[in-house]
Amino acid sequence: DAGVIQSPRHEVTEMGQEVTLRCKPISGHDYLFWYRQTMMRGLELLIYFNNNVPIDDSGMPEDRFSAKMPNASFSTLKIQPSEPRDSAVYFCASSLAGGPHEQFFGPGTRLTVL
Amino acid sequence: GQSLEQPSEVTAVEGAIVQINCTYQTSGFYGLSWYQQHDGGAPTFLSYNALDGLEETGRFSSFLSRSDSYGYLLLQELQMKDSASYFCAVRDLIYNQGGKLIFGQGTELSVKP
Repeated sequence: DAGVIQSPRHEVTEMGQEVTLRCKPISGHDYLFWYRQTMMRGLELLIYFNNNVPIDDSGMPEDRFSAKMPNASFSTLKIQPSEPRDSAVYFCASSLAGGPHEQFFGPGTRLTVL
Repeated sequence: GQSLEQPSEVTAVEGAIVQINCTYQTSGFYGLSWYQQHDGGAPTFLSYNALDGLEETGRFSSFLSRSDSYGYLLLQELQMKDSASYFCAVRDLIYNQGGKLIFGQGTELSVKP
């Protein structure tokens, strides 16, 4: 299996632009998670899905952030409009139904907002 | 509230044994996971404890005491490649199906020759 796939790997954009991050989970996994990692705040859960349904979005910072999972093999995290404080590494992870404690992380997207 | 505490950094020499502690306070608790993250890489799963006691996986072991809200990761026969950040993470069991992991701030382990 190819593991969790994320794109793009790096994104540099200007403040105010829309950013879309993409994730393909491991086939057969029921859970999908979006995290953000910064030096200051560590690894934060933004939102997670179970069987394509959003379960907990309490970590989404504000209305500028939105996430969708239209099917079992694809999810997006969108930031509109982006701000410099959104600069971070964004990870997508997936896990099996019985094992959300064992998550498989993608390589991450390093986002820089100028 | 929910919080996890672990040391920010630990230094040890090659071949030695090191223990990384984690204490937690959460509204619900289902288990404690440990992840490793090399610089510039993604977190990778190491171990999970749902019950009290020691779990061993090769050179790595993890321990949990639910009554003390405490766990640790034990790394034996340290190798240079073990230099990384190590995160404890609590699986939170509240209304949201128990799928949520809350991560600690991480412990940066430096292994010296």
